[in-house]
Amino acid sequence: RKEVEQDPGPFNVPEGATVAFNCTYSNSASQSFFWYRQDCRKEPKLLMSVYSSGNEDGRFTAQLNRASQYISLLIRDSKLSDSATYLCVVSKGGDTGFQKLVFGTGTRLLVSP
Amino acid sequence: EAGVAQSPRYKIIEKRQSVAFWCNPISGHATLYWYQQILGQGPKLLIQFQNNGVVDDSQLPKDRFSAERLKGVDSTLKIQPAKLEDSAVYLCASRQTGKVWSPLHFGNGTRLTVT
Repeated sequence: RKEVEQDPGPFNVPEGATVAFNCTYSNSASQSFFWYRQDCRKEPKLLMSVYSSGNEDGRFTAQLNRASQYISLLIRDSKLSDSATYLCVVSKGGDTGFQKLVFGTGTRLLVSP
Repeated sequence: EAGVAQSPRYKIIEKRQSVAFWCNPISGHATLYWYQQILGQGPKLLIQFQNNGVVDDSQLPKDRFSAERLKGVDSTLKIQPAKLEDSAVYLCASRQTGKVWSPLHFGNGTRLTVT
């Protein structure tokens, strides 16, 4: 089983739609979780961290389910500019200097007019 | 604050040639990572440094890849000799130590094409 798994998509949605991505992880000792956004031919950039209590940033909501070992990202009212690849990142290990950060393969989102 | 600096942006070499990439992390970031990203895949960790020590290099093809961070600041990644399958984007990232929720900060990456 892969350490971090994502549905590669692509997810094709119209503008204004709500779309959700899931990401599963295999290591129950994982400590921190992130969603990164990667535009074509660009470097990944932090979208949001995923806290145990869940968190929201505008149209984006992230949730963590430790019991089932998955994290989710919900995008409401999709915009054309949301088209990108969304990467799930999971850390494992102790001190941050020694934490390994593992990326999923990414989920591609295409928002159409 | 200045971001992670990488050079060169692009490199085209023939197989069996050697190549080196350079990275300067964000000032004060003790942890530095080199990732390899092949088209259509997520970044794969090659090597992780904490200051000038190697924390994880389990996925580094050590017969051809090497990396160093001698003074605990900037780092170089070398491939010698290159193979066709090394064509990828090489991403350097740095992270603040001591905070579990500290995110990765990436450089622009070096796009390597091996012909």
